[in-house]
Amino acid sequence: EVQLVQSGAEVKKPGESLRISCKGSGYSFTNDWISWVRQMPGKGLDWMGRIDPTDSYTNYSPSFQGHVTISADKSISTVYLQWRSLKASDTAMYYCARLKRGHYDLDVWGQGTTVTVSS
Amino acid sequence: QSALTQPRSVSGSPGQSVTISCTGTSSDVDGYKYVSWYQQNAGKAPKVMIFDVNKRPSGVPDRFSGSRSGNTASLTISGLQAEDEADYYCCSYAGSRGVFGTGTKVTVL
Repeated sequence: EVQLVQSGAEVKKPGESLRISCKGSGYSFTNDWISWVRQMPGKGLDWMGRIDPTDSYTNYSPSFQGHVTISADKSISTVYLQWRSLKASDTAMYYCARLKRGHYDLDVWGQGTTVTVSS
Repeated sequence: QSALTQPRSVSGSPGQSVTISCTGTSSDVDGYKYVSWYQQNAGKAPKVMIFDVNKRPSGVPDRFSGSRSGNTASLTISGLQAEDEADYYCCSYAGSRGVFGTGTKVTVL
């Protein structure tokens, strides 16, 4: 079964750093990209960026460029989303999803990771 | 990159058809053939319903269809069923990144 499994919920304070993960299984991890998608409480979906696990080449949406870092370790089929200094406005659900090469649709989604940032 | 524009809500009775529009620009919807649609039920991860403007993944009922005219893509649900009540989002490739629509809540009356 093709699946993406994300790390568990996080509760952090403003200014703290955080890295969440997304592990793929059931397919060749370097065949497709991985994207991260944010969903703030009660709001819509925001496309954050994508990474090619083959060479860790990344693209970011302008809204997220410089605020987060997407990285990958293809040896363990895992992609990461990292913050150096969290803000309360980073409180959201974060999904990773497989981005199909040649079609650009998100066909497999992780279960989501809730990040809560509060003092 | 601004979000694609969708109506906040649409509704219909069981058996009716509803259409959700998704308006973008020449830099996204009208520039590439990569428009997809996602269904999201409360508390769940989204699920792809349409990709490449009008293609259905395996397992998606054929009452879901997609189309595009210029900078506006559309998702039509024919023969609306109670289980179709959910939030729907369009998404377009926009040159090395994607952009989602604002989202539409579909209510089955």
